[in-house]
Amino acid sequence: DQQVKQNSPSLSVQEGRISILNCDYTNSMFDYFLWYKKYPAEGPTFLISISSIKDKNEDGRFTVFLNKSAKHLSLHIVPSQPGDSAVYFCAASAIGSSNTGKLIFGQGTTLQVKP
Amino acid sequence: DTEVTQTPKHLVMGMTNKKSLKCEQHMGHRAMYWYKQKAKKPPELMFVYSYEKLSINESVPSRFSPECPNSSLLNLHLHALQPEDSALYLCASSQEQGSNYGYTFGSGTRLTVV
Repeated sequence: DQQVKQNSPSLSVQEGRISILNCDYTNSMFDYFLWYKKYPAEGPTFLISISSIKDKNEDGRFTVFLNKSAKHLSLHIVPSQPGDSAVYFCAASAIGSSNTGKLIFGQGTTLQVKP
Repeated sequence: DTEVTQTPKHLVMGMTNKKSLKCEQHMGHRAMYWYKQKAKKPPELMFVYSYEKLSINESVPSRFSPECPNSSLLNLHLHALQPEDSALYLCASSQEQGSNYGYTFGSGTRLTVV
């Protein structure tokens, strides 16, 4: 039972354009969402997060949008750069549950930004 | 120091061997985590330690034995593993237990069981 789903295994965009990575979740108890970026042979690196009380959070070129009614979030990268090429994981957690600190990850989307 | 350091980076072990994975952080984080990631799958939580005490065990088989000797170190002792245990083992830490603090992950130990 996949509680966090990233339905696009890969995405290719041109440098300078917008990259949009999508994530869907099924557990209505999730109230905190994070995006991680992973290069080969490295651990995931935290990018940006959003609490369920917000619908948007922005940090530089990265913006995360949350649509709670649709149980959907997306990560926008503008403008995309070749160095953004990596695997992007969406993750979710239910704060205050007995499993505080447990992140549920999606399968990941491999982003390729072409020069 | 803003890193989580994992050793070794690669490990090949037989099914009868005993080995240990090590994780170290000097950021003063009081929560540490072990995750397991199989090929083309997302990371899955194994254990959480908070203030050096085991907080969460995700029903992990006893052939995996975690240990937190102090606030900076986290070990994962391995014994009698199976080939299906081959995976990338990721250690992470956070200021306190709870994901809204953001995790810092190590680079992982790639384990192969033969």
